[in-house]
Amino acid sequence: GQQLNQSPQSMFIQEGEDVSMNCTSSSIFNTWLWYKQDPGEGPVLLIALYKAGELTSNGRLTAQFGITRKDSFLNISASIPSDVGIYFCAGQRETSGSRLTFGEGTQLTVNP
Amino acid sequence: GAVVSQHPSRVICKSGTSVKIECRSLDFQATTMFWYRQFPKKSLMLMATSNEGSKATYEQGVEKDKFLINHASLTLSTLTVTSAHPEDSSFYICSAREGRAQAFFGQGTRLTVV
Repeated sequence: GQQLNQSPQSMFIQEGEDVSMNCTSSSIFNTWLWYKQDPGEGPVLLIALYKAGELTSNGRLTAQFGITRKDSFLNISASIPSDVGIYFCAGQRETSGSRLTFGEGTQLTVNP
Repeated sequence: GAVVSQHPSRVICKSGTSVKIECRSLDFQATTMFWYRQFPKKSLMLMATSNEGSKATYEQGVEKDKFLINHASLTLSTLTVTSAHPEDSSFYICSAREGRAQAFFGQGTRLTVV
């Protein structure tokens, strides 16, 4: 079953606001990934993190791999309407054959 | 990024029939492919992992005779839902990776069994 706790479940924000979401786990992951899924589509990779403490940016997105390797956060700055969607974190372990464990997702709504 | 194409994007089938979903890697060799199932407003649940030329490894609780997976080439994997029933209606998503690179996801297939 799911081992990742992702929060918040949903967010309603105004255009221009910053957004933060996070994932925590009871066990260690070697890689943390953040995806965005639009309705009726497959997930698209936003950011991949490979080292504890790593902070990586992709445009207005910034994500960090927690020092303990049990958590990660994603920040979106200056949100725009096209940021609407479901954001998923995913953890990966070398010992699990590269299988991904997904969080439950954060539904983001941006009001213009 | 790499392109993974899934077909069809939507399919409606009658109860008792079988339906095949294709997943193709368009610009890389997919040594490993993954099949997921997603219920509305829920996360992705891994169904099985397949390596090219080998039998798929199914997750606990996934019936291998119900969900037939074939990964006969480095660019194509298929998922066949056999004797489909309404409870099999769902969003099915594949992902593919080359070697140890990150996996890329297909667009998903919405299956409705009536």
